Amino acid sequence: GAVVSQHPSWVICKSGTSVKIECRSLDFQATTMFWYRQFPKQSLMLMATSNEGSKATYEQGVEKDKFLINHASLTLSTLTVTSAHPEDSSFYICSARGTSGRATGELFFGEGSRLTVL
Amino acid sequence: AQSVTQLGSHVSVSEGALVLLRCNYSSSVPPYLFWYVQYPNQGLQLLLKYTTGATLVKGINGFEAEFKKSETSFHLTKPSAHMSDAAEYFCAVSDRKDSSYKLIFGSGTRLLVRP
Repeated sequence: GAVVSQHPSWVICKSGTSVKIECRSLDFQATTMFWYRQFPKQSLMLMATSNEGSKATYEQGVEKDKFLINHASLTLSTLTVTSAHPEDSSFYICSARGTSGRATGELFFGEGSRLTVL
Repeated sequence: AQSVTQLGSHVSVSEGALVLLRCNYSSSVPPYLFWYVQYPNQGLQLLLKYTTGATLVKGINGFEAEFKKSETSFHLTKPSAHMSDAAEYFCAVSDRKDSSYKLIFGSGTRLLVRP
């Protein structure tokens, strides 16, 4: 089946540094990808909608300068947490909506990336 | 705005017993409805979804859900729980009028299966 890969799956960084998380659709094209964050024992909160070739659409309360999203190709979206602080520690999950082949219209989730900021 | 409510943050059942996880949505127009399962430190796996047609939807791993418009519900059931069903379950909705396929998730229900 269609696969969405996130990298890295685990990352630990120092406070003040920036971290980039990649979301890649491996065998299908995705013009739209979504980024969610999940705090421990809580639900997924939508952060932003990433559209290939255009600016991301951020949900209310999400700082676009803090969470930079780039969707430069039909198979890759990146989330960069800039100047990370301990409160940014979370589980970040992406999903991709297929626009090619049998993945068309379907939504697939990545395995998630756990960020720990020291 | 779309919202979804999952009653019960934790549900505990014995192995072999019926599983019932509740989900209610709030919108005047029934949305697309989904159930996902999440194992620790992993992403989400789609169990089943309702878009149109038959209101009883069968999914993977023996799960099924029934869309009831009059009750604005989409409860998830499984006749006989297995130890491997222990996980976090999320109900999600997507606005039919929103072509972006954006999902709004419920708060989740952790299913515990006792031996």
